[in-house]
Amino acid sequence: SQKIEQNSEALNIQEGKTATLTCNYTNYSPAYLQWYRQDPGRGPVFLLLIRENEKEKRKERLKVTFDTTLKQSLFHITASQPADSATYLCALIPGYSSASKIIFGSGTRLSIRP
Amino acid sequence: EAGVAQSPRYKIIEKRQSVAFWCNPISGHATLYWYQQILGQGPKLLIQFQNNGVVDDSQLPKDRFSAERLKGVDSTLKIQPAKLEDSAVYLCASWGQPNTEAFFGQGTRLTVV
Repeated sequence: SQKIEQNSEALNIQEGKTATLTCNYTNYSPAYLQWYRQDPGRGPVFLLLIRENEKEKRKERLKVTFDTTLKQSLFHITASQPADSATYLCALIPGYSSASKIIFGSGTRLSIRP
Repeated sequence: EAGVAQSPRYKIIEKRQSVAFWCNPISGHATLYWYQQILGQGPKLLIQFQNNGVVDDSQLPKDRFSAERLKGVDSTLKIQPAKLEDSAVYLCASWGQPNTEAFFGQGTRLTVV
């Protein structure tokens, strides 16, 4: 069966450290993989997109890697801050057209303590 | 650009009652999704529209849920009759191009008592 799995436990790290979140998938061949941030009571907000032929993408303190052999994406937040505390969702897009689904993982709750 | 608008923001109903949610996507976005998000879980796709046609509704409980997208713009999602397990946040998202982001509304939090 098709699955998207993220860190099952909440992640609690010290301010200033690098947070690393994991997204593993099975029985998908995604064309794109996206990461979203979701705050309590709000809808998800897009952070980064990476294509199947890309290994790494960066945006300010954020970095995403994509390994299609391992079927895994890692999401890193460097120099983490308490304001980074939120739930982070990975999402797979199986196809290249705008008629593709966007399929979400279960999310990882990240807490950054001062 | 204006974001995705959803209403109502909150709704409390008794089981077996009906309820409807409304979504106005970003102008020009052909693809519209409705997701159900139960507390502590990721969003689960219920139905996907491309303009005013349904692309995927495989996870929509069709005995009680229905959705439409008139004229390829606004969309409504209806539940009739509601069950306790329908308590969740219902998110609407719209999408323009496949290599770009999807935009989400704030969601409607439904509580069925």
